[in-house]
Amino acid sequence: GDSVTQMEGPVTLSEEAFLTINCTYTATGYPSLFWYVQYPGEGLQLLLKATKADDKGSNKGFEATYRKETTSFHLEKGSVQVSDSAVYFCALRPNTGNQFYFGTGTSLTVIP
Amino acid sequence: DSGVTQTPKHLITATGQRVTLRCSPRSGDLSVYWYQQSLDQGLQFLIQYYNGEERAKGNILERFSAQQFPDLHSELNLSSLELGDSALYFCASSVYGGAGNTIYFGEGSWLTVV
Repeated sequence: GDSVTQMEGPVTLSEEAFLTINCTYTATGYPSLFWYVQYPGEGLQLLLKATKADDKGSNKGFEATYRKETTSFHLEKGSVQVSDSAVYFCALRPNTGNQFYFGTGTSLTVIP
Repeated sequence: DSGVTQTPKHLITATGQRVTLRCSPRSGDLSVYWYQQSLDQGLQFLIQYYNGEERAKGNILERFSAQQFPDLHSELNLSSLELGDSALYFCASSVYGGAGNTIYFGEGSWLTVV
């Protein structure tokens, strides 16, 4: 069935370091892919999305490219800030139906 | 603000009790989802409704039930509560259909069972 696997955390980085959080998926056809972010004490917020192969989603300096050939949607940011400390969730929506599948979340802590 | 409203924000209750969590979806969204988030289990999908009808069921216990009303708000009923039911319960909503349609989350209801 459809599923998302994302890299285990927690991840701790120094401010201005490069961030990669890996996400791979299993799905038939061409799902839509999402990254959500959950700041402490808050709900999940959409960070970025991509709806077809080779699309690049971007927001707040974060980017992720929909790679059909490797079934991946890795999240990257060139220079993280303390305010980026949060839990990041990769998610998938199949191209039929209205289900969403979430990864287990990756906790990121950025230290000054 | 996602536009999804959940009440109550915090709830403390005793084992064996029953509680009802309420969710108002974003204006225009017909689909409502319920998720449970706990420290040891991550984000677990419970159930989905579309325009009043159940559409998908996930890891929802038999002690839990939900419904979506004609005005599209939804309620999650949790009964015979156990300590392990303590968690953050999220409601989310989306427009049904269409590639790339996003799911929007409320801020959650913190349930503590003592």
